[in-house]
Amino acid sequence: KAGVTQTPRYLIKTRGQQVTLSCSPISGHRSVSWYQQTPGQGLQFLFEYFSETQRNKGNFPGRFSGRQFSNSRSEMNVSTLELGDSALYLCASSVGPTGGYFEQYFGPGTRLTVT
Amino acid sequence: GIQVEQSPPDLILQEGANSTLRCNFSDSVNNLQWFHQNPWGQLINLFYIPSGTKQNGRLSATTVATERYSLLYISSSQTTDSGVYFCAVKSQGNLIFGKGTKLSVKP
Repeated sequence: KAGVTQTPRYLIKTRGQQVTLSCSPISGHRSVSWYQQTPGQGLQFLFEYFSETQRNKGNFPGRFSGRQFSNSRSEMNVSTLELGDSALYLCASSVGPTGGYFEQYFGPGTRLTVT
Repeated sequence: GIQVEQSPPDLILQEGANSTLRCNFSDSVNNLQWFHQNPWGQLINLFYIPSGTKQNGRLSATTVATERYSLLYISSSQTTDSGVYFCAVKSQGNLIFGKGTKLSVKP
């Protein structure tokens, strides 16, 4: 079974631009979560989607948004990019919503650099 | 919110040595996972272990939920074990990560 895939793997953007990252979960998984990893803050939860509905959101500004499609694929969008948004963005999928007892599996990540 | 502390933050070993990594958490959790992050950033699932003991080859893990800690044991370490090991717990639904233990195994 194929793992979680994320595209693109690397991205360079300029301050003020917007960016869209994509995540395809493991087949049969309906929950997708997004995390941001930076050297200073570590791994932080962004949001979780299950059955096209946002179920949980971390403490990030409204510039960070996401959505999930009927095939469980998810996208996250960051508008008006700031230098501090440079990070590794990780997507994770699980069979059910993360409030339950479901193991999460992570994709390879998208490394975003904002200049 | 729940706090997750991992120790030690850094660990340097000679190939063949054994090690124990610790994860303490401040409140009851629904679940706990251990990950190994490789040099390219990918988080590799090691154990899904809300309680009890599991073993997978040279690695094993024990979680004592009532005492709010988990241990990851690495035996006969190899250079390929190098990387960052994360413990993550589930509280209100999302995973909360510790800051990790950076392991360097020298040949």
